[in-house]
Amino acid sequence: GNSVTQMEGPVTLSEEAFLTINCTYTATGYPSLFWYVQYPGEGLQLLLKATKADDKGSNKGFEATYRKETTSFHLEKGSVQVSDSAVYFCALKANTGNQFYFGTGTSLTVIP
Amino acid sequence: KAGVTQTPRYLIKTRGQQVTLSCSPISGHRSVSWYQQTPGQGLQFLFEYFSETQRNKGNFPGRFSGRQFSNSRSEMNVSTLELGDSALYLCASSLEDSYEQYFGPGTRLTVT
Repeated sequence: GNSVTQMEGPVTLSEEAFLTINCTYTATGYPSLFWYVQYPGEGLQLLLKATKADDKGSNKGFEATYRKETTSFHLEKGSVQVSDSAVYFCALKANTGNQFYFGTGTSLTVIP
Repeated sequence: KAGVTQTPRYLIKTRGQQVTLSCSPISGHRSVSWYQQTPGQGLQFLFEYFSETQRNKGNFPGRFSGRQFSNSRSEMNVSTLELGDSALYLCASSLEDSYEQYFGPGTRLTVT
């Protein structure tokens, strides 16, 4: 079946620190992979995506590379800001149908 | 374009009651998915509707049901509420087999 596993939080970092949030997946076929972000009191927003192996998604300084050999899609940012404090969700969409599978989310707090 | 809207935003019900939540997708989007978000379980897929038909269903009891109208608006209903149904219910819309789902802000349901 399809599933996503991401590192548990919460994660607390100082401003300008390097961020990595690990995400691995299990899927049949060739899924598309996503990172969504949820700010307090809001719904989820798409942060970045990658639709095939070796693709790199990037947005707002965040990056993630679709690694088929390790079934991973780790989220990275070189220098976090206080405004990046949010919950981050890794997700996959199977190559057939329109169902998304989400990880349990990783809470990030960035302190000044 | 207006985003996904959900009503009501907050709801308090007592055990045994039933509740109906509403979701209006982005104009032109015909797929609507529902998720239950809880701190311990993350996002769990409830069901997806497309053109008034349920296409996918998650692993939830029959107390959870939904429907979609001809204008793509969707409702979900939970009957015989239990304390464990307290959660944030998120609705997401997308174009058919799109690479992106757009989320609403959610309805926070509290069962007492």
